[in-house]
Amino acid sequence: DGGITQSPKYLFRKEGQNVTLSCEQNLNHDAMYWYRQDPGQGLRLIYYSQIVNDFQKGDIAEGYSVSREKKESFPLTVTSAQKNPTAFYLCASSPTDRETGELFFGEGSRLTVL
Amino acid sequence: GQNIDQPTEMTATEGAIVQINCTYQTSGFNGLFWYQQHAGEAPTFLSYNVLDGLEEKGRFSSFLSRSKGYSYLLLKELQMKDSASYLCAPMDSNYQLIWGAGTKLIIKP
Repeated sequence: DGGITQSPKYLFRKEGQNVTLSCEQNLNHDAMYWYRQDPGQGLRLIYYSQIVNDFQKGDIAEGYSVSREKKESFPLTVTSAQKNPTAFYLCASSPTDRETGELFFGEGSRLTVL
Repeated sequence: GQNIDQPTEMTATEGAIVQINCTYQTSGFNGLFWYQQHAGEAPTFLSYNVLDGLEEKGRFSSFLSRSKGYSYLLLKELQMKDSASYLCAPMDSNYQLIWGAGTKLIIKP
């Protein structure tokens, strides 16, 4: 079945460590996104990519990095520079035609900094 | 700036009807999405409106008025499984979704 797979589902990190969240899709979608969700707030865009080998900063990119070496994969690295990384992270993809295309989400990764 | 306003929480009774309102201000507009999100899970797509009027899809309907910057989601014949957060997300001129904080809907027996 086609879909988006995020891993790990739960992740614990010590302060000062970098961690990488995986996102893989087999929907053949061109565009991929990373969002962060905190309690009581809307989803906030971290990075997005509309084509392989290209990505753009979203509203809260500081302390994060991404790569898009393959169409299917869009990993997110949470670096030690991110001061408050504990959150629920959602990866999504969409077809190129955003005028009618909805977002398809992975199941999310919950990161906790100890 | 861009802003989305929807109630934080609503309570309704099983079998009843509930309307969740959303007002928005965005830089340009290319349609509005409603998503459902159960606690601890990813959002799932409910509806998309780009023209004014009502779109009906089973028990769920969504309405849009572009001139008023207003949308609502109407849920009929409420079931316990409808307890979730409902996210309003207009799309701006760059085709980016602007997300509201969501409305937590509590269904009581």
